[in-house]
Amino acid sequence: QQQVKQSPQSLIVQKGGISIINCAYENTAFDYFPWYQQFPGKGPALLIAIRPDVSEKKEGRFTISFNKSAKQFSLHIMDSQPGDSATYFCAAHGVYSGAGSYQLTFGKGTKLSVIP
Amino acid sequence: NAGVMQNPRHLVRRRGQEARLRCSPMKGHSHVYWYRQLPEEGLKFMVYLQKENIIDESGMPKERFSAEFPKEGPSILRIQQVVRGDSAAYFCASSDPDGISPTIYDEQFFGPGTRLTVL
Repeated sequence: QQQVKQSPQSLIVQKGGISIINCAYENTAFDYFPWYQQFPGKGPALLIAIRPDVSEKKEGRFTISFNKSAKQFSLHIMDSQPGDSATYFCAAHGVYSGAGSYQLTFGKGTKLSVIP
Repeated sequence: NAGVMQNPRHLVRRRGQEARLRCSPMKGHSHVYWYRQLPEEGLKFMVYLQKENIIDESGMPKERFSAEFPKEGPSILRIQQVVRGDSAAYFCASSDPDGISPTIYDEQFFGPGTRLTVL
């Protein structure tokens, strides 16, 4: 119930194309959904995040689409560039441990390669 | 403003030795989280600490693992008697809630990680 399922595991996109990564969750206690970008040898960095009271959030070339009833959300990268090549993690955040802490639950990641 | 710092970046230990991983949060941050990333896996929460207090250690293995965040100095993740299955990347994150208690909307800033290899 605390899992976040992410697909695909890897993705190859041509420069200028659209990259789409999907995530699904089951725990209705999740109330915040960030996406992280991780380059090799680095820690994850927050890319964009959404709250479930909106269906879409856009920042530059990055858009999150959120479907609360289906418990699914996705990241769209428009006009993908070679510099976008990285591993992307979806995550979910919510209070459910009972201890008052706030654990990020991560998907397994999608390795994106944008080829020129 | 320096980001989250972790050291060492790479650590090699033989089975049975101890591993100590250090995390200095961003300046002014008093909340620290540790995560573990196994190969081809996402990050898994281990423990959440505030200064001198462990708030949530529900993700920590029951044995051999401990964490602290003293009043002065970095947070330490300690692994005793390491085994090969402990080989992973360990990430620390910190946050700076506006209020006394954090919210789920507080951004967690991640360090570069420590890559532990157990021979």
